[in-house]
Amino acid sequence: ETGVTQSPTHLIKTRGQQVTLRCSSQSGHNTVSWYQQALGQGPQFIFQYYREEENGRGNFPPRFSGLQFPNYSSELNVNALELDDSALYLCASSLQLAGSYEQYFGPGTRLTVT
Amino acid sequence: DQQVKQNSPSLSVQEGRISILNCDYTNSMFDYFLWYKKYPAEGPTFLISISSIKDKNEDGRFTVFLNKSAKHLSLHIVPSQPGDSAVYFCAASLALSGTYKYIFGTGTRLKVLA
Repeated sequence: ETGVTQSPTHLIKTRGQQVTLRCSSQSGHNTVSWYQQALGQGPQFIFQYYREEENGRGNFPPRFSGLQFPNYSSELNVNALELDDSALYLCASSLQLAGSYEQYFGPGTRLTVT
Repeated sequence: DQQVKQNSPSLSVQEGRISILNCDYTNSMFDYFLWYKKYPAEGPTFLISISSIKDKNEDGRFTVFLNKSAKHLSLHIVPSQPGDSAVYFCAASLALSGTYKYIFGTGTRLKVLA
């Protein structure tokens, strides 16, 4: 059973550019969530995807968008990057069942916007 | 508006003693609460959870207590071990009409002294 993997590990982009981050879910999981974690803060929920549809969203603008593929892997896209987008981006997978909320996190992608 | 608060940024405990990590929340609609542990350069790891309809859940050395009237939960670690040294996040989930939202606290850094 493979865990959650994310790519790339680190990324440096310039303000105004676009970025795509990738996540492979843990085997057997059908739900993926994305989080942004700024330094010294807790993870902030961006959105969740279940069966390729957005299934919940936090307080992030529309320039943050996502995709989930039939194999349950996922992408996070951020357009028009701003300096404040610099953060650790975490992906978490889970199996959406009644009464089960456990999420399994990947190691994250560190994005730096200059 | 920080709906989940961890007011103690850090905590030091002697090995073998009890560690108590606290978390307060404001939204009475949260239906599930979770604790995660995070080591440097790794994603958060799920520890233990509790449904809003329960007041206690125990798993080995870890026990979570929920006081709904006070909107407070706590994680007890007994006995504390040096390997427990990490950042601990409290999280709450909100399910509305089949969509989900997750709110994390800012974390408490636990240091267990040998």
